[in-house]
Amino acid sequence: AQKVTQAQTEISVVEKEDVTLDCVYETRDTTYYLFWYKQPPSGELVFLIRRNSFDEQNEISGRYSWNFQKSTSSFNFTITASQVVDSAVYFCALSVSPTGNQFYFGTGTSLTVIP
Amino acid sequence: NAGVMQNPRHLVRRRGQEARLRCSPMKGHSHVYWYRQLPEEGLKFMVYLQKENIIDESGMPKERFSAEFPKEGPSILRIQQVVRGDSAAYFCASSQLAGLQETQYFGPGTRLLVL
Repeated sequence: AQKVTQAQTEISVVEKEDVTLDCVYETRDTTYYLFWYKQPPSGELVFLIRRNSFDEQNEISGRYSWNFQKSTSSFNFTITASQVVDSAVYFCALSVSPTGNQFYFGTGTSLTVIP
Repeated sequence: NAGVMQNPRHLVRRRGQEARLRCSPMKGHSHVYWYRQLPEEGLKFMVYLQKENIIDESGMPKERFSAEFPKEGPSILRIQQVVRGDSAAYFCASSQLAGLQETQYFGPGTRLLVL
């Protein structure tokens, strides 16, 4: 069975602080993809990143970085120098072989950045 | 470059009425997915469709819910005889191709409130 756990329900940080959002996943498949989506207060889901199970290189995109560790089944997301516009709910998701049709989402982490 | 379109954005129904939710995928995308987000929860997969075909409906409730994606026009998620427990945000996603490596791009969602 597939499962994604985001243990942090809510996080508050002061602007310019760094913050890490945790994501732990479970799957028996050896081939899978991991995703992060952002859901701002307006409600839409914005795609942030996709990572496949064979690529453990960390990725950096501006103030965002992702740390994928298969040994701990984690795909954590760090925002550096947080800004008020980063306030949103962040979802981690998993898709597995063979078809990848169905995404398995965590329950989300609500991040509030205080000015 | 329009993204995934959903309408209406908000829908209010009384118990026993029908709800019709529409989704137009991104241009060039022929694969559509529907998810439901209950309050304080992550998204749960409902159904995956290609044009004129339901491919995977493993997440759909057995009764009152149906989905279609006709040759012409948007995909429709239909909920008959709505009950209060159907109140949720319903998200549609689309992808260009099928398969594990595909990213699903989400629409803004339809918030259904059943009175």
